[in-house]
Amino acid sequence: KQEVTQIPAALSVPEGENLVLNCSFTDSAIYNLQWFRQDPGKGLTSLLLIQSSQREQTSGRLNASLDKSSGRSTLYIAASQPGDSATYLCAVRRNTGTASKLTFGTGTRLQVTL
Amino acid sequence: SQTIHQWPATLVQPVGSPLSLECTVEGTSNPNLYWYRQAAGRGLQLLFYSVGIGQISSEVPQNLSASRPQDRQFILSSKKLLLSDSGFYLCAWNRDGHRNEKLFFGSGTQLSVL
Repeated sequence: KQEVTQIPAALSVPEGENLVLNCSFTDSAIYNLQWFRQDPGKGLTSLLLIQSSQREQTSGRLNASLDKSSGRSTLYIAASQPGDSATYLCAVRRNTGTASKLTFGTGTRLQVTL
Repeated sequence: SQTIHQWPATLVQPVGSPLSLECTVEGTSNPNLYWYRQAAGRGLQLLFYSVGIGQISSEVPQNLSASRPQDRQFILSSKKLLLSDSGFYLCAWNRDGHRNEKLFFGSGTQLSVL
């Protein structure tokens, strides 16, 4: 059974800092890994998707890496801003079927302070 | 562009009452549709998914059921709610058969069963 762990559970950093969020998964047989952002009481917004054959994806100040063999992914946020404050979730897609059966981590709650 | 609508945003229901949550997707055809639940302090759990009209797959045994009466409509139901059904329910979609497609979420329904 796939298990996804995110460390740390919560993180507070001053504005402008670069930071790294970690995600680990137990079963390396995945199709892809997604990073999502969730604001309080809201739905999830997909930030980046890394295919199992890829090593990293970049979007603006965000960079996600994937080391499938070791079961790890990181989300790097450069020059953090107060607007980046949210919960960040990673999810892996199982390596079977056509439906996206994702297994989610419990998230890292990020607060960027002024 | 594609949009996903989910309602209601908030719902308070007594134990034993029925439930109907609705989700519709616009701007695409034959999407894969999903219902997730997010319980307090826990990760998202996939409840149901559908790859076509009338096709429902259940991921976990529970007090809930799902139906897909139309291509872009997905309904989550219960005949009699339990206290344990409380949580944040999220509908999601992605394109059928595309294995490296992002998952797009609705804004969620906060259900409180009292």
